[in-house]
Amino acid sequence: EVKLLESGGGLVQPGGSMRLSCAASGFTFTDFYMYWIRQPAGKAPEWLGFIRNKANGYTTEYNPSVKGRFTISRDNTQNMLYLQMNTLRAEDTATYYCARSWALDYWGQGVMVTVSS
Amino acid sequence: EIVLTQSPTTMAASPGEKVTLTCRASSSVSYMHWYQQRSGTSPKLWIYETSKLASGVPNRFSGSGSGTSYSLTINSMETEDAATYYCQQGSSYPLTFGSGTKLEIK
Repeated sequence: EVKLLESGGGLVQPGGSMRLSCAASGFTFTDFYMYWIRQPAGKAPEWLGFIRNKANGYTTEYNPSVKGRFTISRDNTQNMLYLQMNTLRAEDTATYYCARSWALDYWGQGVMVTVSS
Repeated sequence: EIVLTQSPTTMAASPGEKVTLTCRASSSVSYMHWYQQRSGTSPKLWIYETSKLASGVPNRFSGSGSGTSYSLTINSMETEDAATYYCQQGSSYPLTFGSGTKLEIK
């Protein structure tokens, strides 16, 4: 059974940093592109970026809205996906999801990030 | 950036009614994915590559479209179909989602 479990969310002050983690299981992690998506309360999801699979060299793509502030990485020995978020702003407040594959066929349960003083 | 416009924003349908949700893209895309999101839960892949049903999706659902116009159709509305549906394009970066259609049961 495919499972994705995010962790690491919480309250952070504006200008601060936070790292989210996503533990993956139930599939061959290195075969898949992995994605981060966020969703502010009551709004549509927003794609943040992805990291490619082994066959494509684990390279990354980002939404221009977060490029330069957010970094996606993966630990393929631990089946872990990460999202490092720097210089956080109030508008980064949202539920953050990790998801698998180009069709986002599996999503985690999400983790809340609140940016507030 | 490709903007996806969904319509209607909100609608209510009676059990057994045929429902069509639309998604229009600001530029041509090769395919569309659709996601269902019930309140308080994560989005779920519902239809991928325009017309393919995700695993477990009832066959009363169908998807169609091309270019800049796509649709999701429910042949006969059921109570469990009440949810918000989002379209998403993967043809160009940044990947984008529509603003959603909230479908309610009458």
